Amino acid sequence: SQTIHQWPATLVQPVGSPLSLECTVEGTSNPNLYWYRQAAGRGLQLLFYSVGIGQISSEVPQNLSASRPQDRQFILSSKKLLLSDSGFYLCAWRTGGRADTQYFGPGTRLTVL
Amino acid sequence: SQKIEQNSEALNIQEGKTATLTCNYTNYSPAYLQWYRQDPGRGPVFLLLIRENEKEKRKERLKVTFDTTLKQSLFHITASQPADSATYLCALASGGFKTIFGAGTRLFVKA
Repeated sequence: SQTIHQWPATLVQPVGSPLSLECTVEGTSNPNLYWYRQAAGRGLQLLFYSVGIGQISSEVPQNLSASRPQDRQFILSSKKLLLSDSGFYLCAWRTGGRADTQYFGPGTRLTVL
Repeated sequence: SQKIEQNSEALNIQEGKTATLTCNYTNYSPAYLQWYRQDPGRGPVFLLLIRENEKEKRKERLKVTFDTTLKQSLFHITASQPADSATYLCALASGGFKTIFGAGTRLFVKA
C-alpha cells in the first residue's frame, strides 16, 4: 500500500532562517506531488506541484521554492523565512488521472518567530 | 476565477441528527467533486467522489448530492456521532493537475 511521510512534524524557526521540509511517498511510481499551506482556520493554498522529476510548477509567487530530486521525493525550501510563512504545510500525492483523489501526509506545523 | 464556497460558520448538531453541509462553486463546470475530512492538526482524508453524471452517492452513513445546474453539492451525515466532529472540505478538479479546495465547514456533534 502507499504511504506518505513528512518531516519534521513541528518546527519553530526565527525570521530570516532557512527552511527545508521533506516529503516522500512509498508504494507508487511517478506520482503527481503537491505542497499546500494552510493558515489557522483557513483553506488549503496550493504552493507547488510536480508531475515528474525536476518539473515544478509554482502557484503563488513568494520566497518559497520546491524541488523534486527523485521520483518520490518532494522538498519545500526557503532561503529566508518571513513571519507570514507560518502555517501548516501539507504534502500530497495522486496518480495522473483527473478523477484521482489526493492523499495527504501528516503535515508540518511551522512557526516563524 | 474558479471559486468554491463552503459555509464558514461552524455547524452544531445533536447526536443522532443528520448533518448537512453545503458546497457551492462558480465559474467552473467540474467533471467531478470530492469531499474530504480533516481533523485538527492532521492532513485531509478522502471520503467520497461524485461525478457530474451522478446525482447521488452513498457510503455507509454518508451521502453526497451533486446538482450541476445549481452548481452545488450537499454532504449529509446521517445518525451523526461525536466522532464525526471535524472539518469537511469540498474539492473540485481545476483542470489539468490541480485541485481547488474549499475552506471547509467545521462540524460539532454534541452527545
